[in-house]
Amino acid sequence: SQQGEEDPQALSIQEGENATMNCSYKTSINNLQWYRQNSGRGLVHLILIRSNEREKHSGRLRVTLDTSKKSSSLLITASRAADTASYFCAYDRAGTASKLTFGTGTRLQVTL
Amino acid sequence: EAGVAQSPRYKIIEKRQSVAFWCNPISGHATLYWYQQILGQGPKLLIQFQNNGVVDDSQLPKDRFSAERLKGVDSTLKIQPAKLEDSAVYLCASSAGLAGVEQYFGPGTRLTVT
Repeated sequence: SQQGEEDPQALSIQEGENATMNCSYKTSINNLQWYRQNSGRGLVHLILIRSNEREKHSGRLRVTLDTSKKSSSLLITASRAADTASYFCAYDRAGTASKLTFGTGTRLQVTL
Repeated sequence: EAGVAQSPRYKIIEKRQSVAFWCNPISGHATLYWYQQILGQGPKLLIQFQNNGVVDDSQLPKDRFSAERLKGVDSTLKIQPAKLEDSAVYLCASSAGLAGVEQYFGPGTRLTVT
């Protein structure tokens, strides 16, 4: 399967802690994106990192990309209860026209 | 700015029946996608349109699924006949470009086939 793999499958932390999710893939990519999905707002784009970038920040989010290891990580700092959701990485395979392949997702639970 | 609209939000049908889903993308977005998301999994791309032309439909089960995007705006996805394994959320997304851009997703249609 070409689907990305995410680790861990589930993560439970307390509010204020940091959460780290990892994504691995098997092909060359143009870019990698992270999305959040919860019942309230559906699937929402968080951040995009291109294959020639190594790190990107957006607010409390930090994404890294290691193309040599074919892996990416998403760090959420100072988590809040509202961060409770499923997080998916999605990569745009090289040679395709923006055809995203989604990972299996990490379910994050942030408790008070 | 209005988001991606989908209808219906929920649909329950019996196996072998047919069903259709409708999607209205964000105004001006040339690229439209249909995804299938089975419970507990990530979305899987079924078909991708650029304007009213198909860019990729390699994962669309063409013996039972069909999709069209008339006039390069709205799109419909049809399943005929439905099978139990088609139970899933069907997501429509749109983007302004074809490569290296974020996709905007609609709320999805939850299909249950009994």
